[in-house]
Amino acid sequence: AQSVTQPDIHITVSEGASLELRCNYSYGATPYLFWYVQSPGQGLQLLLKYFSGDTLVQGIKGFEAEFKRSQSSFNLRKPSVHWSDAAEYFCAVGADGGSQGNLIFGKGTKLSVKP
Amino acid sequence: ETGVTQSPTHLIKTRGQQVTLRCSSQSGHNTVSWYQQALGQGPQFIFQYYREEENGRGNFPPRFSGLQFPNYSSELNVNALELDDSALYLCASSLEQLNSPLHFGNGTRLTVT
Repeated sequence: AQSVTQPDIHITVSEGASLELRCNYSYGATPYLFWYVQSPGQGLQLLLKYFSGDTLVQGIKGFEAEFKRSQSSFNLRKPSVHWSDAAEYFCAVGADGGSQGNLIFGKGTKLSVKP
Repeated sequence: ETGVTQSPTHLIKTRGQQVTLRCSSQSGHNTVSWYQQALGQGPQFIFQYYREEENGRGNFPPRFSGLQFPNYSSELNVNALELDDSALYLCASSLEQLNSPLHFGNGTRLTVT
């Protein structure tokens, strides 16, 4: 069965430091992969997505992610974190054979930013 | 461009009752998906509607049902509420194409006592 694993429940980084959030997926074919961000009391906002092509994907707010098939990973990165990046981040994969709106989400990584 | 709006924002119900949650899709979007997000968890897919018909369903019992209207707005109905139904319910709209991203509303926080 498909699954998404985000190994880190909570990460704290200093403002201005670099960030990498890990995501591993289990999927048989070429996956559709997504990263979403959720601020407290808010819905989810799409940061970036990967369907095919270039394995390094650029997103909004200065985020990028790299698809590595050999490692079944899709890690999210940002070179310099801002205090406003504090939120919860979810990695998701499109369900195999599922409808377009059927995404399987990881449990999320909560990001805290130290001043 | 109007985003996805959900109502109400918060709701408290008693076990055994029924609840209806509403969602207004982003302008131009013809597909709506519903998700349940329990505390400390990622969202879980409930079902999707396209052209007023359910065209995908997650691992949720039949007491979870939905409707999509001609104007693409949508409802999620839950019968015989259980304590474990307490969660944030998220609606997401999109176009029907496979690579069309989901646009989420801010959700309805349902508490079942």
